[in-house]
Amino acid sequence: EAGVTQSPTHLIKTRGQQATLRCSPISGHTSVYWYQQALGLGLQFLLWYDEGEERNRGNFPPRFSGRQFPNYSSELNVNALELEDSALYLCASSYAYGYTFGSGTRLTVV
Amino acid sequence: SQQGEEDPQALSIQEGENATMNCSYKTSINNLQWYRQNSGRGLVHLILIRSNEREKHSGRLRVTLDTSKKSSSLLITASRAADTASYFCAGAGSYQLTFGKGTKLSVIP
Repeated sequence: EAGVTQSPTHLIKTRGQQATLRCSPISGHTSVYWYQQALGLGLQFLLWYDEGEERNRGNFPPRFSGRQFPNYSSELNVNALELEDSALYLCASSYAYGYTFGSGTRLTVV
Repeated sequence: SQQGEEDPQALSIQEGENATMNCSYKTSINNLQWYRQNSGRGLVHLILIRSNEREKHSGRLRVTLDTSKKSSSLLITASRAADTASYFCAGAGSYQLTFGKGTKLSVIP
């Protein structure tokens, strides 16, 4: 069984640009979670999607947005990139209680 | 916002020794989970303990939960160099996991 896959692995963007990160959950998992792990700040909850709907959102500005597709894959979009958006973005899908995480996308804003 | 704090923030031990990491959380939880992260990559689920459980074992891992003190501990016995990683506790509330800042464990061969 394939795990949670994220693409791209690395992404370098210029301040002010937009970034799109993608996540494919484990087959059969309908919930997708996005987390940001910035240096020294731990894992911060960003967004939760389930059955195509946004279910909950963390304390992030509206320029962080996303969506979930009918096949349960998900996109995270970050508009008007700022230097402090540089971080590892982790996606997870869940089954019952435990989460399975992807390897992450490392976004660098220069 | 973070769920709580891990203690210590960093821990360095010799191979074969036991490693104990503590975690405190702030809000009520349905369960508490521990994860491991190698070199800033994805997290690996280690163990889950439900709010009505006090202790759980899995291989070399032992987790305790004290809901009255809102705290948990993770014990790794007979540590190996391959256990070197960051370890995070995460409280599962109604909606999503909320993570602590993690303990960075270094196991010296």
